[in-house]
Amino acid sequence: GAVVSQHPSRVICKSGTSVKIECRSLDFQATTMFWYRQFPKQSLMLMATSNEGSKATYEQGVEKDKFLINHASLTLSTLTVTSAHPEDSSFYICSARRGYDEQFFGPGTRLTVL
Amino acid sequence: GIQVEQSPPDLILQEGANSTLRCNFSDSVNNLQWFHQNPWGQLINLFYIPSGTKQNGRLSATTVATERYSLLYISSSQTTDSGVYFCAVVYSGNTPLVFGKGTRLSVIA
Repeated sequence: GAVVSQHPSRVICKSGTSVKIECRSLDFQATTMFWYRQFPKQSLMLMATSNEGSKATYEQGVEKDKFLINHASLTLSTLTVTSAHPEDSSFYICSARRGYDEQFFGPGTRLTVL
Repeated sequence: GIQVEQSPPDLILQEGANSTLRCNFSDSVNNLQWFHQNPWGQLINLFYIPSGTKQNGRLSATTVATERYSLLYISSSQTTDSGVYFCAVVYSGNTPLVFGKGTRLSVIA
């Protein structure tokens, strides 16, 4: 299967700081990338969909000014959590897909905001 | 939007036992995938199965698209099979995967 990497795997930051998470498709070109969020013992919730070179589409209730998504190339998407607060602490998972094919997931980033 | 329901929500098995996990969805789908989320949070692709039957070792899956359900079979379960199993579907075009709530499986020795 295809490989999606995500960095960092874990980050602890102070309230008010910004955190950038990188997602890369290592062995295929991803026409679409997705960002999900997962709270403990819950399912994955879609935050946004991004296509290379265009603005991300955010799900209802997700603040686009807080969660900035950039999809600069067919292999790289970034999620920046701006002015993070403790309630933003969560497990963030990126995903990549080529066309209408199978979707692959990164290993996730565990964010803790103090 | 489309609803994805998984059952059972929790399952405890003795090592060596077999199990069947079910995924029902409320509308026709283009794609369906099964995942295993390991204790570290990594989602591992098990099957990409919008219809038909596939097998991979001790695991197999069947999707009956016309009846809007999919089944994941685990045979001769091992402790390493423990974790959460998710079913997720794409219902239209290039839309993202929509996840069910998962089945939490615990296999005890």
